[in-house]
Amino acid sequence: GENVEQHPSTLSVQEGDSAVIKCTYSDSASNYFPWYKQELGKRPQLIIDIRSNVGEKKDQRIAVTLNKTAKHFSLHITETQPEDSAVYFCAASSYFNKFYFGSGTKLNVKP
Amino acid sequence: GAVVSQHPSRVICKSGTSVKIECRSLDFQATTMFWYRQFPKKSLMLMATSNEGSKATYEQGVEKDKFLINHASLTLSTLTVTSAHPEDSSFYICSAQILAGDHNEQFFGPGTRLTVL
Repeated sequence: GENVEQHPSTLSVQEGDSAVIKCTYSDSASNYFPWYKQELGKRPQLIIDIRSNVGEKKDQRIAVTLNKTAKHFSLHITETQPEDSAVYFCAASSYFNKFYFGSGTKLNVKP
Repeated sequence: GAVVSQHPSRVICKSGTSVKIECRSLDFQATTMFWYRQFPKKSLMLMATSNEGSKATYEQGVEKDKFLINHASLTLSTLTVTSAHPEDSSFYICSAQILAGDHNEQFFGPGTRLTVL
């Protein structure tokens, strides 16, 4: 089955700096890669996703890049704000299949 | 749109009792729902895939007789933790799948905090 690894497990940045979270996957059949943000005690919320036919996608301060050859994808948050502090999960999914989640990254944005 | 609810949000029960958790898709129909378990500061661990009108598919290591799943309608899946023990205490989250072109999207419920005394 699919194996998704996520790094780093914790990340502290100063407000205004950028944050990068990286994930790798093992199954070349995976074609959909969502990123979720989870605040303490709350449900995961989809923040951005990317399909395998696209190399990069951007939504305001958030961007995701995908390298199919290397089987890795990354989340980039620019101009970080304290409200970006949360746990972020990457996931990989193949066609209509279940999601496999990374281990999560706790992002702390210091004001 | 794409709202998923869970009930109850919190439940405390005695060891040996059974607890039922409901997952509902409020504004869409979901033939497939998923049940996850999340330990503190840990990732989402997929327990099972719930399919409307058929038996659930359980992940390796998950006891199907302990975690009973029923998906009786296109908007409701239930997870029953039978004969609960303290080690079953956890955060249980469901998600409902929407098919979107060449992939599926999952929308999560708010989770249920189960504490077994």
